[in-house]
Amino acid sequence: DQQVKQNSPSLSVQEGRISILNCDYTNSMFDYFLWYKKYPAEGPTFLISISSIKDKNEDGRFTVFLNKSAKHLSLHIVPSQPGDSAVYFCAASADTGNQFYFGTGTSLTVIP
Amino acid sequence: DTGVSQNPRHKITKRGQNVTFRCDPISEHNRLYWYRQTLGQGPEFLTYFQNEAQLEKSRLLSDRFSAERPKGSFSTLEIQRTEQGDSAMYLCASSPRGGFQETQYFGPGTRLLVL
Repeated sequence: DQQVKQNSPSLSVQEGRISILNCDYTNSMFDYFLWYKKYPAEGPTFLISISSIKDKNEDGRFTVFLNKSAKHLSLHIVPSQPGDSAVYFCAASADTGNQFYFGTGTSLTVIP
Repeated sequence: DTGVSQNPRHKITKRGQNVTFRCDPISEHNRLYWYRQTLGQGPEFLTYFQNEAQLEKSRLLSDRFSAERPKGSFSTLEIQRTEQGDSAMYLCASSPRGGFQETQYFGPGTRLLVL
């Protein structure tokens, strides 16, 4: 049972524009959410996180939004750069657990 | 600052052979995790250690899989009698203490191909 879902397998965006990656979850116990970025043949690299007590967290060009009532989070990248082209995974964890649950990933391509 | 390292990076083996992977976590990280990632999927949790104690195992970790972290530093993951379905990327991650809302940092992974 997939508790974290990324329904868009791929996304293409022009350089300089905004990239919006979406993630939905089903487990209401999740209270910590992260985005990881993954290049081919490398492990996931931590990008940004958000606690359930917040609805927004910003770090440079990256902003994560959390809508707890909708069980939805999104990652905004502004402006998008060609180096942002990678697979992005959202992940979630619950205070009662110790593992992260990952989505299936969205492959972002930023076109120069 | 060295991150999580994993060896080997790639392993090709024949079905029925045993393989062992090693993970060196970030120095002084007490928590170490193993995940498996197959094509088109996100990483799936296998097991984790708090220092040398293995505290949780996923149902994905069959009896052919065993993990150790003997001195609370590096960890090994062994797969006995490999099957073609074991072909995947095996990822290791570590975190400082294993506390509330703590980020896990991943290594580059070991890609296993079972022929």
